[in-house]
Amino acid sequence: KNEVEQSPQNLTAQEGEFITINCSYSVGISALHWLQQHPGGGIVSLFMLSSGKKKHGRLIATINIQEKHSSLHITASHPRDSAVYICAVRSRPGGGADGLTFGKGTHLIIQP
Amino acid sequence: DSGVTQTPKHLITATGQRVTLRCSPRSGDLSVYWYQQSLDQGLQFLIQYYNGEERAKGNILERFSAQQFPDLHSELNLSSLELGDSALYFCASTPHPSTFGSGTRLTVV
Repeated sequence: KNEVEQSPQNLTAQEGEFITINCSYSVGISALHWLQQHPGGGIVSLFMLSSGKKKHGRLIATINIQEKHSSLHITASHPRDSAVYICAVRSRPGGGADGLTFGKGTHLIIQP
Repeated sequence: DSGVTQTPKHLITATGQRVTLRCSPRSGDLSVYWYQQSLDQGLQFLIQYYNGEERAKGNILERFSAQQFPDLHSELNLSSLELGDSALYFCASTPHPSTFGSGTRLTVV
């Protein structure tokens, strides 16, 4: 079982719809990241969260540490939001490997 | 621009061959983290070096090895390549994804 589970795996929606992508993790973490990857392959860091909520433009990310769950929301979705969204966690210091552990990603397609 | 440089951007090679991927960390950073992104496994942490020393190991195959040189650049060596090694290989110089390089796309044919 992957330590980081994302849902849904695939999501197709119409332009303007409100989008929610979920991420659950099973380990103690020091930080959770939301990443965006377009077909060209480059990875863009959207948010880093350790508690609460962050907003940037039409994107909102929340985290509930007690429930080990995070959500990424996109309001007024647009075709340019079409990408793969990846949740990644960094374990607490001393928890082993210092690198990130990733969810398998959510393939989002926004149709005009 | 993350400040992390990866070369080459693309690599096509045959099964059984050996390749070397190169990564230069952002100025001032002492670490290099290597990641593999394949279609079936997604993104996985492979290995971390800090100031020339191996710091942490993830899901790195025995056919793969890495090193970090005194000038802090790192090389990831992949040998006895198999079709399943085809993937995007990223490096980063901190645990924060903002320092991901642009990746090397390896295709094994």
